[in-house]
Amino acid sequence: SQQGEEDPQALSIQEGENATMNCSYKTSINNLQWYRQNSGRGLVHLILIRSNEREKHSGRLRVTLDTSKKSSSLLITASRAADTASYFCARGAWAGTASKLTFGTGTRLQVTL
Amino acid sequence: DVKVTQSSRYLVKRTGEKVFLECVQDMDHENMFWYRQDPGLGLRLIYFSYDVKMKEKGDIPEGYSVSREKKERFSLILESASTNQTSMYLCASSPQGLTVAYNEQFFGPGTRLTVL
Repeated sequence: SQQGEEDPQALSIQEGENATMNCSYKTSINNLQWYRQNSGRGLVHLILIRSNEREKHSGRLRVTLDTSKKSSSLLITASRAADTASYFCARGAWAGTASKLTFGTGTRLQVTL
Repeated sequence: DVKVTQSSRYLVKRTGEKVFLECVQDMDHENMFWYRQDPGLGLRLIYFSYDVKMKEKGDIPEGYSVSREKKERFSLILESASTNQTSMYLCASSPQGLTVAYNEQFFGPGTRLTVL
């Protein structure tokens, strides 16, 4: 079953506005990662936050992690049309003999001019 | 520049055919993964491999098998394709051994498979 769920499923904003996407999960994690996917293409890694971290920045991206609430958020500031894509959170956790990522269902972001 | 390539962008096969999806990475990564992506379901892990000739089942391995004879190549095999295997298939790789969760994954462009 999916362990990471993004909210909202779809988001439409104007260029220059901020976009916030949320991710919830059910079990413990080692880290949480965010990926971007442009239409019909492969995923690109954006940022990784470890379970003992609370906030991380990368350029216009800000990720927060609240392990007590089992949730994370991705904030894109001053959005651009090029940010239009689907965004996925991925929970990194041990699974038996190894560890793996479990992806959520994604948030589709549309940034209009 | 890191690169993961997949043999085909689009593939059309008939029910019952044996299908091979190939993935090659040039980053000397130990770990490789196969996912399928379906609308509303996100990415689901089919199989992964953390070393040559090693493989582990993911969340949905039924109907699939994999082969990893060389470090850079990871193949996904549909023994007898069915219409419910119509999907986007994504390959990924990441460095290091068992600590895959600590490393970002690098994705290929995907193969959109249609089974008629």
